[in-house]
Amino acid sequence: GAGVSQSPSNKVTEKGKDVELRCDPISGHTALYWYRQRLGQGLEFLIYFQGNSAPDKSGLPSDRFSAERTGESVSTLTIQRTQQEDSAVYLCASRNTDTQYFGPGTRLTVL
Amino acid sequence: GNSVTQMEGPVTLSEEAFLTINCTYTATGYPSLFWYVQYPGEGLQLLLKATKADDKGSNKGFEATYRKETTSFHLEKGSVQVSDSAVYFCALSNTGGFKTIFGAGTRLFVKA
Repeated sequence: GAGVSQSPSNKVTEKGKDVELRCDPISGHTALYWYRQRLGQGLEFLIYFQGNSAPDKSGLPSDRFSAERTGESVSTLTIQRTQQEDSAVYLCASRNTDTQYFGPGTRLTVL
Repeated sequence: GNSVTQMEGPVTLSEEAFLTINCTYTATGYPSLFWYVQYPGEGLQLLLKATKADDKGSNKGFEATYRKETTSFHLEKGSVQVSDSAVYFCALSNTGGFKTIFGAGTRLFVKA
């Protein structure tokens, strides 16, 4: 497809479990971002990948959060030992020049 | 550092009313400015953008003018529709920079 895709669209998990979220960026976009959006709030930057450079991890809230990207393709965001405060929509975006294009998000609910 | 401040919501309007959502920014250099829209249950979509002072971005009847003298990028629409109900985010991206800074979002409700 032409847009950014994310999977799963919804994820319900139990506190303490690990989850893995996936993002497929637009082909040819070298930059990829992860954001967190809590209910009714704005976007919270998590991590940024640009080509083969070291990622900017300055937004990751704790060491339970990590992300990987292989080259300029798929990225996965992993949350270990999930907590209830991790419940949010996790948005992925890829960038072309100065514009970011967002995926539909993964809604994570931690019970 | 760079920041974006937009008016708090929610904003509630009747159909065909005039809309203004204020956005001001703080940035070094010459940033690009954006408005993104998030419809219920969906991800963010780029609504419009402007890349230099005095540029006007426009799309779907919405407009915003890049005002460097007032560091503002207010979003306007002359006649809103129920389908415009969404959350609107103002954002900036610095020239050559890779981070986009988003405002907190303004929720718009349009009543029939």
